Amino acid sequence: SFELTQPPSVSVSPGQTASITCSGDKLGNTYASWYQQKPGQSPVLVIYRDSKRPSGIPERFSGSNSGNTATLTISGTQAMDEADYYCQAWDIIVVFGGGTKLTVL
Amino acid sequence: QVTLRESDPALVKPTQTLTLTCTFSGFSLSTREMCVSWIRQPPGKALEWLALIDWDGDKYYSTSLRTRLTISKDTSKNQVVLTMTNMDPVDTATYYCARGSRDGYNFWFDPWGQGTRVTVSS
Repeated sequence: SFELTQPPSVSVSPGQTASITCSGDKLGNTYASWYQQKPGQSPVLVIYRDSKRPSGIPERFSGSNSGNTATLTISGTQAMDEADYYCQAWDIIVVFGGGTKLTVL
Repeated sequence: QVTLRESDPALVKPTQTLTLTCTFSGFSLSTREMCVSWIRQPPGKALEWLALIDWDGDKYYSTSLRTRLTISKDTSKNQVVLTMTNMDPVDTATYYCARGSRDGYNFWFDPWGQGTRVTVSS
């Protein structure tokens, strides 16, 4: 079955660039989406169709997808970006990655 | 403004059937390329996709849970209903519904409801 693999945790200093990866077999052949979830809150879509930002999502959030890896990049990371991030794609069914906890130190 | 709201929290006993209702506003599930999905999250764990129904009635289910799940819609009431049979304590989780958009067989979900807590215990 299709699986999406994310690193359990990523740490970044404020103002630096954070990269969160999502790996899956031939993931680049489909679209990847990314969700941000803060403690006690519902997930929020931050990237869809690999690299598109929904209205209201800051420009510092960007995405790419090629080969077997999709990447969420947060430029100029802020303390408010500390959250869990999940990738999601489609392979005959919807699949979510296991999530990555982003810590802004 | 698009909003989705799940039915109230539930306490169910093992082997019982869970029924959840998602009531939404701000969009129509009869609009092409629209869909509604259910996703759950056990305490402290990752998101798990459950089921999806789209604008023309096509239904998709989690491979591992498909024998226990049924999703349906009432377009006139702006509601989507999920039933899950044979509940077990491992099904304890927060259950979310979310509006989905699609591009071919690619889906993404925005926005999500606030979630509803389901506890399975005798």
